Amino acid sequence: GESVGLHLPTLSVQEGDNSIINCAYSNSASDYFIWYKQESGKGPQFIIDIRSNMDKRQGQRVTVLLNKTVKHLSLQIAATQPGDSAVYFCAENRGSIRGSYIPTFGRGTSLIVHP
Amino acid sequence: SQTIHQWPATLVQPVGSPLSLECTVEGTSNPNLYWYRQAAGRGLQLLFYSVGIGQISSEVPQNLSASRPQDRQFILSSKKLLLSDSGFYLCAWSPGLAGGHPFYEQYFGPGTRLTVT
Repeated sequence: GESVGLHLPTLSVQEGDNSIINCAYSNSASDYFIWYKQESGKGPQFIIDIRSNMDKRQGQRVTVLLNKTVKHLSLQIAATQPGDSAVYFCAENRGSIRGSYIPTFGRGTSLIVHP
Repeated sequence: SQTIHQWPATLVQPVGSPLSLECTVEGTSNPNLYWYRQAAGRGLQLLFYSVGIGQISSEVPQNLSASRPQDRQFILSSKKLLLSDSGFYLCAWSPGLAGGHPFYEQYFGPGTRLTVT
């Protein structure tokens, strides 16, 4: 379920390192997952998505892995840059309203990239 | 292209005062609309969603209300603000069945920072 009342965990990395952000989801019936990036003072922005019939999907410098057995999602960022510093949210779809899903957001992870 | 607007960007209101936040979407028709609240350092809490004009569903009981007077306009209101209403309010839209985009994705506005004093 939603963990809106919990403080965000933090991941600190050095510039150039690879980052791995993890997310556990709750609904085994979820069929679509999205990672969002939220920079300070702004709304979340779409990064990458994956459907439940896939295990892995790659974008530019980002890879999402899905393990349905343990209901776990991860976002890998290659060669992390200072501009990657942000809060990252995973979202799973838990139901349908007129063809568009109401997502359940994870608690988010704050990524801090040190130059 | 589609754009989403929210205003005001920041707002400071005393306890007990009314609230009206507005969200409008351009470049699409019949979107699904959402209001979220985000407390500092916390996750996203879905407050309301709407699949059409006059159709509002509430996710969390509170002293807030939402209205959708026009297809691409979504308003968040309160008659009397509480200190606990402070936060970052985000409006989002997603295409419905008729949309040409991947309809699972939500597009977020820039947000309104509300401080209740």
